[in-house]
Amino acid sequence: EVHLVESGGGLVKPGGSLRLSCAASGFTFSIAWMNWVRQAPGKGLEWIGRITSETAGGTTDYAAPVKGRFSISRDDSKNTMYLQMSSLENEDTAVYFCTTDYPIWGSGSCNYWGQGTLVTVSS
Amino acid sequence: DIQMTQSPSSLSASVGDRVTITCRASQSITKYLHWYQQKPGEVPKLLIHSASSLQSGVPSRFSGSGSGTDFTLTISSLQPGDFATYYCHQSYSVPQTFGQGTKVEIK
Repeated sequence: EVHLVESGGGLVKPGGSLRLSCAASGFTFSIAWMNWVRQAPGKGLEWIGRITSETAGGTTDYAAPVKGRFSISRDDSKNTMYLQMSSLENEDTAVYFCTTDYPIWGSGSCNYWGQGTLVTVSS
Repeated sequence: DIQMTQSPSSLSASVGDRVTITCRASQSITKYLHWYQQKPGEVPKLLIHSASSLQSGVPSRFSGSGSGTDFTLTISSLQPGDFATYYCHQSYSVPQTFGQGTKVEIK
């Protein structure tokens, strides 16, 4: 059974940093392209970034609002993806989800979602 | 960046109604268009991937169509559990983008 479990959320002051983790199980993580999606309170879904598999170069892409502040990485030996967030702003307050398109490889869809982890940026 | 515009933003419908939600991309995304349902307090659920492929376990009253820039999600006969917010999502190019959502409410 597929599981995605996010952790690391919490309360942080503006300008601060936080690292989120997404622990994956139930599928071959090393070949998965993984996404981070967030949802601010009462708002819609926002794609914030993606990391490809190592065989595809392990490349990362980001949405404009987080580019240069957020960084995605992965450790295939731990079946875990990370989201390093820095220079956090009030507008980054949201539930952060990790997603994968397994087993619909190549679709880019978000077939599996974690339960999300809440990040609150406030002084 | 590719903009995804959903319409309507909200709608009121009755059980048994046929409901159609549209999603328009600002440029061609071929068939890299996916639809999700989200109920309050829950994680989004994939309904349709690749414009028209019904995800496993999703009732057949849900269907998707379209290609290029114009896409449609149809619920053939609205059921009580279908009252939710629906989102489209393009994965054709990065940055990927979601539509703003369509809230389906009970009339």
